[in-house]
Amino acid sequence: IAGITQAPTSQILAAGRRMTLRCTQDMRHNAMYWYRQDLGLGLRLIHYSNTAGTTGKGEVPDGYSVSRANTDDFPLTLASAVPSQTSVYFCASSDKAGDNSPLHFGNGTRLTVT
Amino acid sequence: GDSVTQMEGPVTLSEEAFLTINCTYTATGYPSLFWYVQYPGEGLQLLLKATKADDKGSNKGFEATYRKETTSFHLEKGSVQVSDSAVYFCALPPLNSGNTPLVFGKGTRLSVIA
Repeated sequence: IAGITQAPTSQILAAGRRMTLRCTQDMRHNAMYWYRQDLGLGLRLIHYSNTAGTTGKGEVPDGYSVSRANTDDFPLTLASAVPSQTSVYFCASSDKAGDNSPLHFGNGTRLTVT
Repeated sequence: GDSVTQMEGPVTLSEEAFLTINCTYTATGYPSLFWYVQYPGEGLQLLLKATKADDKGSNKGFEATYRKETTSFHLEKGSVQVSDSAVYFCALPPLNSGNTPLVFGKGTRLSVIA
């Protein structure tokens, strides 16, 4: 089934450790996004990429980095995890950026930083 | 900047009750408007959309009408089912934002009891 695959599904991570959340899509969408979802705060955009080779900062980028080496993959890295990064992380994609294309979401990665 | 405001939940209804989830928006123009739904343990998925004023989006028995006069896009369903239990998000694409993606409301959790 075409869509977005995120891995791992969940992770418990010690503070200070480095972690990469993986995201792969097979729809050949140009644009990809990372959101975090927190109770009472809804979805907040971390980073985005409008096309392979480009990235941009969202609302809450600090402590996170991304890369977009190809169309399909958009990994999110926490260089040194902190407890405030405990959240559910969603990767999403759309056919094009900025043309009201619907977003397609993965099922999320639940991350707990202790 | 452009934003959406949703009624706070949670909303608890009995099966076959009428549902309204309020959403109002602030925007510099007339953007497309969206409702997304998140079922337990899953990512968000597009429920319906409207691309211009007075348009009505509909899907799975849900409806929402784009009302420019009241800057609203309320979600309604005449008879909810237990399977409609989910979190609902109103969203819009911010204009003049450099192709950044949708801005989401904080979500409204709906619980339908048999």
